[in-house]
Amino acid sequence: AQRVTQPEKLLSVFKGAPVELKCNYSYSGSPELFWYVQYSRQRLQLLLRHISRESIKGFTADLNKGETSFHLKKPFAQEEDSAMYYCALVTTDSWGKFQFGAGTQVVVTP
Amino acid sequence: KAGVTQTPRYLIKTRGQQVTLSCSPISGHRSVSWYQQTPGQGLQFLFEYFSETQRNKGNFPGRFSGRQFSNSRSEMNVSTLELGDSALYLCASSMGHNTEAFFGQGTRLTVV
Repeated sequence: AQRVTQPEKLLSVFKGAPVELKCNYSYSGSPELFWYVQYSRQRLQLLLRHISRESIKGFTADLNKGETSFHLKKPFAQEEDSAMYYCALVTTDSWGKFQFGAGTQVVVTP
Repeated sequence: KAGVTQTPRYLIKTRGQQVTLSCSPISGHRSVSWYQQTPGQGLQFLFEYFSETQRNKGNFPGRFSGRQFSNSRSEMNVSTLELGDSALYLCASSMGHNTEAFFGQGTRLTVV
């Protein structure tokens, strides 16, 4: 069975510092990986998906199949990045069934 | 374009009762999935419907059931409520395969 692990429950960083959220997964096939974000009192929303290879709000994420990781990075954290971040995995034969990690709370302090 | 709408936003029920939650997906979306979110277990997948058929099911007891109507609206039912069913229930919709899922704001269920 597939599994998504986010080892950090809380990440506290200073504004302007780099931030990296770790995500590791276990799945023998080729999964689709996503990062979702939940700002305070807002709904869960998509931040990134690995196939798009985009940079959204300064965030990037690279899928490393060798290390089965999909870490989220931003070189300079902003206060508005404070939120809960979830890594999620979907398999092509079970689309619609997102497997979420436990989430990482990011707090950016000025 | 209206987002995913869940009703009601808040519910308080007594143990042993049953409850029905509703989800209206984004227009044109045929896939609706449900998740339970709790502080201890995080986000857990309940089930997914596509064109009125349940395609995927999570590891929840049979007290949790759902259905999808021809207009893609979905309902989730929990019978014989237990205290442990207290959670935020999220619904997500998508167009189907290989597309982004959009989430609703959730229904906060409290069982007392």
